[in-house]
Amino acid sequence: DTEVTQTPKHLVMGMTNKKSLKCEQHMGHRAMYWYKQKAKKPPELMFVYSYEKLSINESVPSRFSPECPNSSLLNLHLHALQPEDSALYLCASSKYTGSAEAFFGQGTRLTVV
Amino acid sequence: QQQVKQSPQSLIVQKGGISIINCAYENTAFDYFPWYQQFPGKGPALLIAIRPDVSEKKEGRFTISFNKSAKQFSLHIMDSQPGDSATYFCPRTSGSARQLTFGSGTQLTVLP
Repeated sequence: DTEVTQTPKHLVMGMTNKKSLKCEQHMGHRAMYWYKQKAKKPPELMFVYSYEKLSINESVPSRFSPECPNSSLLNLHLHALQPEDSALYLCASSKYTGSAEAFFGQGTRLTVV
Repeated sequence: QQQVKQSPQSLIVQKGGISIINCAYENTAFDYFPWYQQFPGKGPALLIAIRPDVSEKKEGRFTISFNKSAKQFSLHIMDSQPGDSATYFCPRTSGSARQLTFGSGTQLTVLP
């Protein structure tokens, strides 16, 4: 199984809502990532988890809150988002941080209204 | 941090033609040079990668070549097909966690 599964695929939320994005992998990878991608732009790193511990937070606003409950799961909790947060949110995993081979999920298309 | 300079930013090729995308880097302190392919609305996927001690690697119609003296590696797509139309990235591992960092990418369009 070389898949990274993200749910939901699409999400529309109001600015006062609280929602969560979920990501799952069963490849035994110890590094997991959240990226944000706007249209026609490259993916931008948000968070890095290594061995279930947050190792990188790329100055992401606190309205985005990551969580790594176990080595297979990664969540991104969303609260009080702004319309400019609308984007494709990608989860990825790799055997370890520093690996050039990362596996990406299909992403969650988030629209904030 | 390692800078990624990719060219061209966009490329239009006729079906059956050769697509060439280049990626320049600043130093050789890396163990793996990957190319990723991303279709609209999908996540990037590793396409092909090369180690710096290898000058060329071929997988089907895709060839990656490494030019250490020019500090550049390139992706060649032979017999380009409309299904190859996608954005191609040559990300680097950089930063304190050596995380994958993406440059602007090259948008390839293969005309039928």
